Amino acid sequence: GIQVEQSPPDLILQEGANSTLRCNFSDSVNNLQWFHQNPWGQLINLFYIPSGTKQNGRLSATTVATERYSLLYISSSQTTDSGVYFCAVEGSAGGGADGLTFGKGTHLIIQP
Amino acid sequence: GAGVSQSPSNKVTEKGKDVELRCDPISGHTALYWYRQSLGQGLEFLIYFQGNSAPDKSGLPSDRFSAERTGGSVSTLTIQRTQQEDSAVYLCASSSWSSYNEQFFGPGTRLTVL
Repeated sequence: GIQVEQSPPDLILQEGANSTLRCNFSDSVNNLQWFHQNPWGQLINLFYIPSGTKQNGRLSATTVATERYSLLYISSSQTTDSGVYFCAVEGSAGGGADGLTFGKGTHLIIQP
Repeated sequence: GAGVSQSPSNKVTEKGKDVELRCDPISGHTALYWYRQSLGQGLEFLIYFQGNSAPDKSGLPSDRFSAERTGGSVSTLTIQRTQQEDSAVYLCASSSWSSYNEQFFGPGTRLTVL
């Protein structure tokens, strides 16, 4: 099946800093989503981005499908940005019935 | 409600008992997914429904696991004869299954098998 690798696994930053999280995947995809898992375990949708670039406030994401990677940018970090960020993909070979394959996540800690 | 709901939010059971977990998808979403999140395995996909049909059940961890969906809406995940290794958070997601197949997740059911 499709493989998803996220980096870095852990990231500690001061409030106000910028960060870039990376997601590499091993095959072509129909779907790529970025999630933030909050301290209560809820997966919050950040972006649906199988290709291209999107921005939402301080967050933006870029997926280069031909090179099989996606980047999530967080600018002017706030303590509420802390948590685990997951990249998840749905391979195009499975016809959509394989569900999402998740990376292991990036654990982000923003210190005041 | 507007989002995916799951019940119960927490379930503690004794080894060997059966448990039933429920998922109520976003209204109008035809696709429904079950996932499991555990410390050792991360987030793993279990099963997918399109309408009431699950075309592939190979993602279920063992034959003690079963899932059904009725009326194209609510789904239940049943675990028979629970084992300690079944302890995990079980997450449900739904999508509208269009060319824009974004999945939305519920809050999960935390299952603890003693």
